[in-house]
Amino acid sequence: GENVEQHPSTLSVQEGDSAVIKCTYSDSASNYFPWYKQELGKRPQLIIDIRSNVGEKKDQRIAVTLNKTAKHFSLHITETQPEDSAVYFCAASTSGTYKYIFGTGTRLKVLA
Amino acid sequence: NAGVTQTPKFRVLKTGQSMTLLCAQDMNHEYMYWYRQDPGMGLRLIHYSVGEGTTAKGEVPDGYNVSRLKKQNFLLGLESAAPSQTSVYFCASSYGQVPTYEQYFGPGTRLTVT
Repeated sequence: GENVEQHPSTLSVQEGDSAVIKCTYSDSASNYFPWYKQELGKRPQLIIDIRSNVGEKKDQRIAVTLNKTAKHFSLHITETQPEDSAVYFCAASTSGTYKYIFGTGTRLKVLA
Repeated sequence: NAGVTQTPKFRVLKTGQSMTLLCAQDMNHEYMYWYRQDPGMGLRLIHYSVGEGTTAKGEVPDGYNVSRLKKQNFLLGLESAAPSQTSVYFCASSYGQVPTYEQYFGPGTRLTVT
Protein backbone atom coordinates (compact mmCIF):
# COMPACT_ATOMS: atom_id res chain seq x y z
CA GLY A 1 0.00 0.00 0.00
CA GLU A 2 0.93 3.64 -0.04
CA ASN A 3 3.31 4.78 2.66
CA VAL A 4 5.63 7.61 3.57
CA GLU A 5 8.84 6.95 5.48
CA GLN A 6 10.32 9.77 7.52
CA HIS A 7 13.79 10.06 9.06
CA PRO A 8 15.14 10.70 11.58
CA SER A 9 12.59 10.12 14.31
CA THR A 10 14.45 12.50 16.63
CA LEU A 11 16.92 15.25 15.85
CA SER A 12 18.84 17.51 18.21
CA VAL A 13 20.73 20.54 16.91
CA GLN A 14 22.46 23.51 18.47
CA GLU A 15 20.74 26.85 18.11
CA GLY A 16 21.86 28.48 14.88
CA ASP A 17 22.68 25.21 13.14
CA SER A 18 20.68 23.72 10.27
CA ALA A 19 18.25 20.80 10.47
CA VAL A 20 17.26 18.45 7.67
CA ILE A 21 14.36 15.98 7.75
CA LYS A 22 13.89 13.50 4.93
CA CYS A 23 10.83 11.66 3.58
CA THR A 24 10.39 8.98 0.96
CA TYR A 25 7.06 8.14 -0.63
CA SER A 26 5.92 5.03 -2.44
CA ASP A 27 3.07 6.16 -4.70
CA SER A 28 4.49 7.58 -7.92
CA ALA A 29 1.15 9.33 -8.52
CA SER A 30 1.69 11.58 -5.47
CA ASN A 31 1.91 15.19 -6.57
CA TYR A 32 1.59 17.31 -3.43
CA PHE A 33 3.84 17.27 -0.37
CA PRO A 34 2.97 19.37 2.69
CA TRP A 35 4.96 19.72 5.90
CA TYR A 36 3.26 20.23 9.24
CA LYS A 37 4.65 21.49 12.53
CA GLN A 38 3.06 20.28 15.75
CA GLU A 39 4.06 21.91 19.02
CA LEU A 40 3.52 19.96 22.23
CA GLY A 41 -0.20 19.55 22.91
CA LYS A 42 -1.18 21.62 19.91
CA ARG A 43 -2.73 20.91 16.54
CA PRO A 44 -0.65 20.28 13.38
CA GLN A 45 -0.14 23.43 11.31
CA LEU A 46 0.96 23.68 7.71
CA ILE A 47 4.36 25.39 7.40
CA ILE A 48 5.32 24.81 3.79
CA ASP A 49 4.32 22.65 0.84
CA ILE A 50 5.57 21.74 -2.60
CA ARG A 51 3.93 20.44 -5.73
CA SER A 52 5.42 17.92 -8.11
CA ASN A 53 6.08 20.47 -10.85
CA VAL A 54 8.55 22.33 -8.61
CA GLY A 55 11.94 21.15 -7.37
CA GLU A 56 12.45 23.57 -4.49
CA LYS A 57 10.51 26.11 -2.49
CA LYS A 58 11.72 28.55 0.19
CA ASP A 59 10.01 30.60 2.83
CA GLN A 60 12.43 32.58 4.97
CA ARG A 61 14.39 30.05 7.06
CA ILE A 62 12.59 26.96 5.80
CA ALA A 63 12.85 25.24 2.44
CA VAL A 64 11.60 22.04 0.90
CA THR A 65 13.22 20.11 -1.93
CA LEU A 66 11.67 17.39 -4.07
CA ASN A 67 13.33 14.68 -6.14
CA LYS A 68 10.53 13.01 -8.08
CA THR A 69 12.79 10.42 -9.68
CA ALA A 70 13.99 9.14 -6.32
CA LYS A 71 10.61 9.84 -4.63
CA HIS A 72 12.35 11.86 -1.92
CA PHE A 73 11.49 15.19 -0.41
CA SER A 74 13.20 17.04 2.43
CA LEU A 75 12.60 19.88 4.86
CA HIS A 76 15.51 22.21 5.56
CA ILE A 77 15.50 24.65 8.47
CA THR A 78 18.40 27.09 8.66
CA GLU A 79 19.53 29.21 11.63
CA THR A 80 17.42 27.15 13.99
CA GLN A 81 15.87 28.81 17.04
CA PRO A 82 14.44 27.30 20.25
CA GLU A 83 10.90 28.01 18.99
CA ASP A 84 11.56 25.62 16.10
CA SER A 85 11.45 22.77 18.63
CA ALA A 86 8.40 20.66 17.73
CA VAL A 87 7.36 17.50 15.91
CA TYR A 88 7.44 17.83 12.14
CA PHE A 89 5.33 15.65 9.84
CA CYS A 90 5.67 15.19 6.13
CA ALA A 91 2.79 13.98 3.99
CA ALA A 92 2.06 12.98 0.42
CA SER A 93 -1.16 13.41 -1.48
CA THR A 94 -2.51 12.74 -4.91
CA SER A 95 -5.08 14.97 -6.60
CA GLY A 96 -8.55 13.49 -6.42
CA THR A 97 -7.88 11.07 -3.54
CA TYR A 98 -9.11 13.38 -0.75
CA LYS A 99 -6.43 12.21 1.64
CA TYR A 100 -2.88 12.61 2.85
CA ILE A 101 -0.50 9.82 3.79
CA PHE A 102 1.54 11.08 6.72
CA GLY A 103 5.05 10.21 7.78
CA THR A 104 5.69 9.08 11.36
CA GLY A 105 7.07 12.42 12.51
CA THR A 106 10.42 13.86 13.58
CA ARG A 107 10.90 15.38 17.01
CA LEU A 108 13.26 18.32 16.59
CA LYS A 109 14.99 19.76 19.65
CA VAL A 110 16.90 22.99 19.28
CA LEU A 111 19.38 23.35 22.13
CA ALA A 112 20.08 26.88 23.33
CA ASN B 1 -14.12 32.75 13.47
CA ALA B 2 -13.48 29.78 15.76
CA GLY B 3 -12.08 27.62 12.93
CA VAL B 4 -12.24 23.91 13.72
CA THR B 5 -13.33 22.94 17.22
CA GLN B 6 -13.59 19.54 18.88
CA THR B 7 -15.63 18.34 21.83
CA PRO B 8 -14.58 16.96 24.30
CA LYS B 9 -10.87 17.71 24.82
CA PHE B 10 -10.26 14.70 27.05
CA ARG B 11 -12.22 11.55 27.82
CA VAL B 12 -11.66 8.30 29.69
CA LEU B 13 -13.83 5.32 28.76
CA LYS B 14 -14.09 1.79 30.05
CA THR B 15 -13.87 -1.06 27.55
CA GLY B 16 -17.26 -1.59 25.90
CA GLN B 17 -18.59 1.90 26.51
CA SER B 18 -19.68 4.11 23.66
CA MET B 19 -19.13 7.77 22.92
CA THR B 20 -19.38 10.38 20.20
CA LEU B 21 -16.75 12.97 19.34
CA LEU B 22 -18.00 16.19 17.78
CA CYS B 23 -16.12 18.25 15.23
CA ALA B 24 -17.49 21.63 14.20
CA GLN B 25 -16.20 24.16 11.67
CA ASP B 26 -17.46 27.63 10.90
CA MET B 27 -15.53 28.17 7.65
CA ASN B 28 -18.20 26.73 5.31
CA HIS B 29 -15.80 23.94 4.39
CA GLU B 30 -17.12 21.15 2.22
CA TYR B 31 -14.60 18.46 3.22
CA MET B 32 -14.08 17.08 6.70
CA TYR B 33 -11.77 14.37 8.04
CA TRP B 34 -11.14 12.33 11.18
CA TYR B 35 -7.58 11.19 12.00
CA ARG B 36 -6.04 9.32 14.87
CA GLN B 37 -2.52 9.99 16.07
CA ASP B 38 -0.54 7.30 17.87
CA PRO B 39 3.09 7.47 19.03
CA GLY B 40 5.45 6.56 16.20
CA MET B 41 2.55 6.16 13.74
CA GLY B 42 1.89 9.64 12.44
CA LEU B 43 -1.65 10.65 11.53
CA ARG B 44 -3.91 8.02 10.03
CA LEU B 45 -7.22 8.75 8.30
CA ILE B 46 -10.25 7.06 9.88
CA HIS B 47 -13.16 8.43 7.84
CA TYR B 48 -13.81 11.47 5.71
CA SER B 49 -16.69 13.37 4.14
CA VAL B 50 -16.83 15.27 0.88
CA GLY B 51 -20.11 16.98 1.65
CA GLU B 52 -23.22 17.03 3.81
CA GLY B 53 -24.81 13.59 3.97
CA THR B 54 -21.77 11.77 2.54
CA THR B 55 -19.07 9.75 4.30
CA ALA B 56 -16.31 7.40 3.20
CA LYS B 57 -13.77 5.07 4.82
CA GLY B 58 -10.15 5.99 5.27
CA GLU B 59 -7.15 3.83 6.20
CA VAL B 60 -8.31 2.61 9.63
CA PRO B 61 -12.16 2.69 9.77
CA ASP B 62 -12.81 -0.46 11.80
CA GLY B 63 -14.56 0.16 15.12
CA TYR B 64 -15.69 3.68 14.17
CA ASN B 65 -18.75 5.18 12.56
CA VAL B 66 -19.33 8.72 11.34
CA SER B 67 -22.17 10.99 10.34
CA ARG B 68 -22.37 14.34 8.52
CA LEU B 69 -25.97 15.43 8.94
CA LYS B 70 -25.05 19.12 8.86
CA LYS B 71 -22.34 20.68 6.72
CA GLN B 72 -20.62 22.25 9.71
CA ASN B 73 -20.52 19.12 11.89
CA PHE B 74 -18.75 15.77 11.55
CA LEU B 75 -19.36 13.20 14.28
CA LEU B 76 -17.13 10.24 15.10
CA GLY B 77 -18.72 7.41 17.07
CA LEU B 78 -17.21 4.52 18.97
CA GLU B 79 -19.92 1.92 19.61
CA SER B 80 -17.90 -0.39 21.86
CA ALA B 81 -14.59 1.14 22.89
CA ALA B 82 -11.45 -1.01 23.03
CA PRO B 83 -8.03 -0.24 24.58
CA SER B 84 -6.58 -0.19 21.04
CA GLN B 85 -8.65 2.94 20.42
CA THR B 86 -6.67 4.88 23.01
CA SER B 87 -5.29 7.71 20.91
CA VAL B 88 -5.41 11.40 20.15
CA TYR B 89 -8.14 12.17 17.61
CA PHE B 90 -7.87 15.11 15.24
CA CYS B 91 -10.58 16.49 13.05
CA ALA B 92 -9.70 18.53 9.97
CA SER B 93 -11.58 20.40 7.28
CA SER B 94 -10.85 21.95 3.91
CA TYR B 95 -12.80 24.23 1.58
CA GLY B 96 -12.29 21.94 -1.34
CA GLN B 97 -10.40 18.96 -2.52
CA VAL B 98 -6.86 18.44 -1.29
CA PRO B 99 -4.28 19.38 -2.33
CA THR B 100 -5.74 22.46 -3.93
CA TYR B 101 -7.12 23.60 -0.61
CA GLU B 102 -5.34 23.49 2.74
CA GLN B 103 -6.51 21.23 5.58
CA TYR B 104 -7.12 22.95 8.89
CA PHE B 105 -6.89 20.85 12.01
CA GLY B 106 -8.85 21.02 15.24
CA PRO B 107 -7.16 21.02 18.68
CA GLY B 108 -7.54 17.28 19.23
CA THR B 109 -9.33 14.95 21.66
CA ARG B 110 -7.27 12.73 23.93
CA LEU B 111 -9.15 9.47 24.50
CA THR B 112 -8.09 6.78 26.94
CA VAL B 113 -9.84 3.43 27.03
CA THR B 114 -9.15 1.33 30.13
